[in-house]
Amino acid sequence: DQQVKQNSPSLSVQEGRISILNCDYTNSMFDYFLWYKKYPAEGPTFLISISSIKDKNEDGRFTVFLNKSAKHLSLHIVPSQPGDSAVYFCAAANAGNMLTFGGGTRLMVKP
Amino acid sequence: DAGITQSPRHKVTETGTPVTLRCHQTENHRYMYWYRQDPGHGLRLIHYSYGVKDTDKGEVSDGYSVSRSKTEDFLLTLESATSSQTSVYFCAISDGFQDEQYFGPGTRLTVT
Repeated sequence: DQQVKQNSPSLSVQEGRISILNCDYTNSMFDYFLWYKKYPAEGPTFLISISSIKDKNEDGRFTVFLNKSAKHLSLHIVPSQPGDSAVYFCAAANAGNMLTFGGGTRLMVKP
Repeated sequence: DAGITQSPRHKVTETGTPVTLRCHQTENHRYMYWYRQDPGHGLRLIHYSYGVKDTDKGEVSDGYSVSRSKTEDFLLTLESATSSQTSVYFCAISDGFQDEQYFGPGTRLTVT
């Protein structure tokens, strides 16, 4: 049973527009959430994180929103750039446990 | 970039043969991890280490063993490779238990 799910395997967005990637989780004990970005033939790289005591965290063009009641988090990229084309993984953890990753969403930003 | 290397980067092997993948770090991080990445499953934890000679199982540990005799090296061994172990394997490191993890470039393993 997947505790972290990314229900959209792919997303296509026009350059300059907003990209919204979604992630749902089932374990209410998760208290720390992260997004990783992965280019082909490379390892994932950390993008942004959020603690459960917050509902928003911003870093430049990237913002992560957390809705604890809905057990949902989202990553907003504004404006989207062709270099953002990659696979994005969300991950969640709670104290004393390892990260649990979602299945990933492939983002394609069209010029 | 964190100093993590994986070797080999690509390997093709036959069913039933033992295979060892190596992860080497130059960051002196305490925690090291082995993941596999498969379509639709994201990254799944195989084993992890929290110090020299200290290891524990992850979500998908069956058929895999690990060893860590030095801080900088973490080995993943497939005792007898099977086709279901065809995957891309990533090593990761972190300083603390729930800190940001830094990933290596991956090893693509094909078991024929």
